[in-house]
Amino acid sequence: RKEVEQDPGPFNVPEGATVAFNCTYSNSASQSFFWYRQDCRKEPKLLMSVYSSGNEDGRFTAQLNRASQYISLLIRDSKLSDSATYLCVVNMNSNSGYALNFGKGTSLLVTP
Amino acid sequence: ETGVTQSPTHLIKTRGQQVTLRCSSQSGHNTVSWYQQALGQGPQFIFQYYREEENGRGNFPPRFSGLQFPNYSSELNVNALELDDSALYLCASSLVPGFQETQYFGPGTRLLVL
Repeated sequence: RKEVEQDPGPFNVPEGATVAFNCTYSNSASQSFFWYRQDCRKEPKLLMSVYSSGNEDGRFTAQLNRASQYISLLIRDSKLSDSATYLCVVNMNSNSGYALNFGKGTSLLVTP
Repeated sequence: ETGVTQSPTHLIKTRGQQVTLRCSSQSGHNTVSWYQQALGQGPQFIFQYYREEENGRGNFPPRFSGLQFPNYSSELNVNALELDDSALYLCASSLVPGFQETQYFGPGTRLLVL
């Protein structure tokens, strides 16, 4: 079983729609959680960190449920520029040091 | 831009050859991590260097090796290349190792093994 699993996607939504991505992680010792965004043929870029209390950054809201080992990302009022792959990322200290464990990513296409 | 640079941007090699990829970390960052991203997959952790010492390693064979230099730049070396080594290789730098430390990624090196 992969350590971080995401919705398979792709998600095709019209501009202005609300879309939600879900992610589960297997290791309860995981310490920190992130969403990264990756545009086609580019490097991943940090979108936001995810905290137990939930956090919001403009149109983006991230939630963490440690008991269920579940992370979510909600995008409201989708823009064409939101089209990208969204990577759920978990960081835990292990024999791998402070390695980021990435999900496979979920592709989002926002259409006019 | 993150200030993390990688070279070369693209590379084509044949099976059995050796390759060296280079990364310059963001100014002030002493930690560099390397990741392999195959097509359609998320990045997979290879190893991390902190102050010139290996600080953790993922599930990659010993033919993947690395170095970090006193200026905190880093190299990834892959020996005896296999077709499955074709991927985007990303390096990421952070201020220090740690759970909440943001890792800033470079643009990557695309390696094709024929």
